[in-house]
Amino acid sequence: EADIYQTPRYLVIGTGKKITLECSQTMGHDKMYWYQQDPGMELHLIHYSYGVNSTEKGDLSSESTVSRIRTEHFPLTLESARPSHTSQYLCASSESRGIGNSPLHFGNGTRLTVT
Amino acid sequence: AQKITQTQPGMFVQEKEAVTLDCTYDTSDPSYGLFWYKQPSSGEMIFLIYQGSYDQQNATEGRYSLNFQKARKSANLVISASQLGDSAMYFCAMSPHSGYSTLTFGKGTMLLVSP
Repeated sequence: EADIYQTPRYLVIGTGKKITLECSQTMGHDKMYWYQQDPGMELHLIHYSYGVNSTEKGDLSSESTVSRIRTEHFPLTLESARPSHTSQYLCASSESRGIGNSPLHFGNGTRLTVT
Repeated sequence: AQKITQTQPGMFVQEKEAVTLDCTYDTSDPSYGLFWYKQPSSGEMIFLIYQGSYDQQNATEGRYSLNFQKARKSANLVISASQLGDSAMYFCAMSPHSGYSTLTFGKGTMLLVSP
């Protein structure tokens, strides 16, 4: 029941390229998040949004940027990709009800490799 | 700030046996939520179970139960009757019930279920 979609699933790109990772959800959730995860490691929050035109930086410093023009869409952009950006990027969303007790629904992730 | 500690990098269990995955947490928030997620090798994050800090009873969801000991700040996941498909990474996470909260994850435990 994947109601949150990420594209592409895998991306291999050269250094210096601009890339946008897409994330869309059909659940009408106000809250959306981007997490970065290196293989076998924990997830680190890099960006989040609590609604249209609202974006915040997360705990982990990131050179990426995000936008939230529509409720269902939360793309992440890297203006100039570097090998250090190689990682898995996970998008998630959650309901606004009951702050703290709404589980996150995750997409399948984008595995980015920068050569 | 919240902190999640998962001290078991890897656990092995035989099929049909029960297994406990440890999770301790640290927070100064009076009210919070605790979550467990499963991440198979395919990479997606699957929500398993939620426990609120003021819930009187331990949460259960099918074969999953959460052994919540508030005084010890522990929220261990118990999987009964392990199945081969349970082999995955398991992440403990928490979020405060206050303000614009976000989810903090532990480093994860890799569970391998053998026949």
